[in-house]
Amino acid sequence: EIVLTQSPGTLSLSPGEGVTLSCRASQSVSGTYVGWYQQKPGQAPRLLISGASSRATGIPDRFSGGGSGTVFTLSISRLEPEDFAVYYCQQYGTSPFAFGQGTRLEIK
Amino acid sequence: QVQLVESGGGVVQPGRSLRLSCVASGFSFSQYAMNWVRQAPGRGLEWVAVTSYNGGDSDNADSVKGRFAISRDNSKNTLYLQMTSLSVEDTGIYYCARPKTMGGPHCSGGRCYLSDALDVWGQGTTVTVSS
Repeated sequence: EIVLTQSPGTLSLSPGEGVTLSCRASQSVSGTYVGWYQQKPGQAPRLLISGASSRATGIPDRFSGGGSGTVFTLSISRLEPEDFAVYYCQQYGTSPFAFGQGTRLEIK
Repeated sequence: QVQLVESGGGVVQPGRSLRLSCVASGFSFSQYAMNWVRQAPGRGLEWVAVTSYNGGDSDNADSVKGRFAISRDNSKNTLYLQMTSLSVEDTGIYYCARPKTMGGPHCSGGRCYLSDALDVWGQGTTVTVSS
């Protein structure tokens, strides 16, 4: 079973800043079968990135994903007010298709 | 438009059973694998189960193995989650979710492989397990 560990747990940042979130897998993920999701309070998650680096439809280009093997990242180049939310990674290469525990971005 | 609508949640006593449903519309349901994902109050996302596009293969998280069963009726465009022996730890919002691409996943030896990211989600249905 692959366990995903996200870091940091919480980040306090200001709009306009850039950030990189980390997702580490306990063992290598098949191919680049990793996705990133954004969730805001009271809402269902929204897919941002699939295949480790492909932006989902309608996702702004300030979001970018990367990585392979056991280390994956989500970068946001210039934080907009609407980007303050919780972000989750997920691996879907081998079941169980686990999620990381999440990283919360909060406004400083 | 592409839509998933869950139902069947409610308040149930520990040890009892509950069946959740998820009705799909706006896409060819029978060509997509489907997943259930849950979220306990104030906690993160937890993947629960996946079923292949034709219902022939499935896998569950270890935390629900032997208690929960995922199934589907493609003639009704409906996904199900049969939950038995419920405990307070099963309390949360249950989402059904569709992968980006059709088909799959490939399953063997009790595991499934090479699925896809979840790009369509329902609004969730809330399950509360309490005495």
